[in-house]
Amino acid sequence: DAGVTQSPTHLIKTRGQQVTLRCSPKSGHDTVSWYQQALGQGPQFIFQYYEEEERQRGNFPDRFSGHQFPNYSSELNVNALLLGDSALYLCASSLGTGGEADTQYFGPGTRLTVL
Amino acid sequence: AQRVTQPEKLLSVFKGAPVELKCNYSYSGSPELFWYVQYSRQRLQLLLRHISRESIKGFTADLNKGETSFHLKKPFAQEEDSAMYYCARGGNFNKFYFGSGTKLNVKP
Repeated sequence: DAGVTQSPTHLIKTRGQQVTLRCSPKSGHDTVSWYQQALGQGPQFIFQYYEEEERQRGNFPDRFSGHQFPNYSSELNVNALLLGDSALYLCASSLGTGGEADTQYFGPGTRLTVL
Repeated sequence: AQRVTQPEKLLSVFKGAPVELKCNYSYSGSPELFWYVQYSRQRLQLLLRHISRESIKGFTADLNKGETSFHLKKPFAQEEDSAMYYCARGGNFNKFYFGSGTKLNVKP
C-alpha cells in the first residue's frame, strides 16, 4: 500500500487561472480531507468528502471546491487563483466511522505557486 | 478564533536533556487532541493521541482540562527527535485544527 498519494508534486500557475489537484486515499479509507498549509503555518482545514459529498467545510471561499469519486479518490479545484493561494495543499484520508479509525493519514502534498 | 496555540516556533535542546513542547487549545467540551510530527523530507504523521494514553518514541502528552493544555514531553531528547511538531484538535467528523507548529532541534 503506497498510502495516500497526491498529484502533481509541484504546480505553477498565474493569477486568475484555475487548478485541479488530485488525491488517492490509503487503501480501505473512505474519507478525504483537504488542507492548505502556508509557509510557516500549520495546515488549515479546507473541506472533507465522505460518500461523494462535502461533509465539513472550513473558512474558505467558494473558489475552493472539490469532488469525490466512487473509488474514494478526490479532487480539489481552485478557481480565479490569487497570489495568496500559493501554499502546500495536503490531502488526508481516514475511515468515516470514528474512534481509533479517526487517525488521519497524510499525503506528501502538492506545492502550488501562483505568479 | 485561535483554536490551537503553540507559543514556541523553535525549541533547541541538547541531546539527553528533557524537552517539553507546549500546546494550548480552546474548546468548551471534551476535546480530541493529537500530536503530529513531520521529519525532514517526510510526510506529516501521527505521533500520539490523548485518547490512547500511550507513549510513542518516549513521548507522552497529558491533557490538562483546567489549563486547556496538551503539552508534549520527553525526558531525554535524542538527535532523531529533531522535527516539526504540530498539535491538533479534532472536531466533528475529523475536522482538525492545527497549531502553527514548533520546530524541535536536538543538538549533539
